[in-house]
Order: sequence, then C-alpha cells, then structure tokens
Amino acid sequence: GIQVEQSPPDLILQEGANSTLRCNFSDSVNNLQWFHQNPWGQLINLFYIPSGTKQNGRLSATTVATERYSLLYISSSQTTDSGVYFCAGDFTGGGNKLTFGTGTQLKVEL
Amino acid sequence: SAVISQKPSRDICQRGTSLTIQCQVDSQVTMMFWYRQQPGQSLTLIATANQGSEATYESGFVIDKFPISRPNLTFSTLTVSNMSPEDSSIYLCSVGEGVTNEAFFGQGTRLTVV
Repeated sequence: GIQVEQSPPDLILQEGANSTLRCNFSDSVNNLQWFHQNPWGQLINLFYIPSGTKQNGRLSATTVATERYSLLYISSSQTTDSGVYFCAGDFTGGGNKLTFGTGTQLKVEL
Repeated sequence: SAVISQKPSRDICQRGTSLTIQCQVDSQVTMMFWYRQQPGQSLTLIATANQGSEATYESGFVIDKFPISRPNLTFSTLTVSNMSPEDSSIYLCSVGEGVTNEAFFGQGTRLTVV
C-alpha cells in the first residue's frame, strides 16, 4: 500500500528557531496537503501544495512531486506552533481520499 | 472555505452501546469522508459517504460496525456500533472544496468508551 513517512517524528525547539519537516511518499500524488493539529484535535489547513512552493507568513512549503517528497519550513517558531503536523496526499485521483503521514510532534519552548 | 460542524464534540459512552455522530456542511458538497484517529496515531479513512447510495468502506472497516447515512448534499452521520474501549478515538468528517478538491475537516468528535 501507499506509504507516507514523516520526519522527524518528534522535535523540540526553542522559541525563535527555524525547522524543516519532511514528508516522503511512495507513489505519485494528486493532492498534497499539510495540516497542523492543535491540542484540541482540530486540523488546521496549512497548505494545499501538489507541486511547487508556497509561503504563508512564517510558514512555507515545497513539494517535489517527481522525487516524491514535500517539505514544510517553520521560521521564527512560536509556542503557538506546538502540536502535530501532518502531511496527507490523495493517491487515487478520485477526489480527496487522503492518506495521512505518520506525523511530526513539535514542541516549542520559551 | 465551507463551515463544517460536527456533533457531539465529545462523549463518554458505555461499552456495548452505539453513538451517532453528525456532520453538517453549510454548502452542498459532492463528497464527504469519515476518518478515525486512534490515540497517538495518525488519521485513517473509514469510508466515503455517497449521496443516494451506500457508503464505500476502506479495508478493515465494515458497514455493520460503522453505518453511514448521507441523506443530502450537506449532511452525513457516522454511527459507531456496539462500542468497545478500542473504539475510543477522534472521529472527523471531511469535505472537498473547489476545483482542487482541497480537503477541510470538522472539529472532530472525541469519543471515550468505558
């Protein structure tokens, strides 16, 4: 089956530090998204990025579909960035049936 | 983006009982999906809720355990039947929007079975 692996699994940062989260996937992807899950369990959409690069404030993402990976960059991290980050892709082409990655648990400390 | 409302937001249920989770969207959508997130795990797709026909279940999920209704283009329910503590999870509904079909999620239902 489809494998979506994220690294690192856990990350602790000091406030103000930068980080890069990686998502590797095992097949061609039609729809690649990044989410942030807050402590209450809600999934917040960060990026829809099947290819190319996008930026939104302190966050940016790059997907290289031909090499089957995506990166999420967090700059000048804040404590509110803490939580779990998931990448997820639609590998079926039939809509947005997402296969989620393994997740990166981020904790930002003062 | 569409507003997706789930009810209840959380519940504590006795084993052997059933719970029905509702998902309401403020606009018509073609596809709705139900996901499960077990404690400390990632999200797994349970099924696609099809309007006017039976839901399509993913491997490992069956209709008897997770019956789904989709009476119209803005509403769906997921029932977790004959619950056991292993069913304790967050259940989330999702819809696709726009030409890209970007996925958006409801706030989730946190279920604890005791």
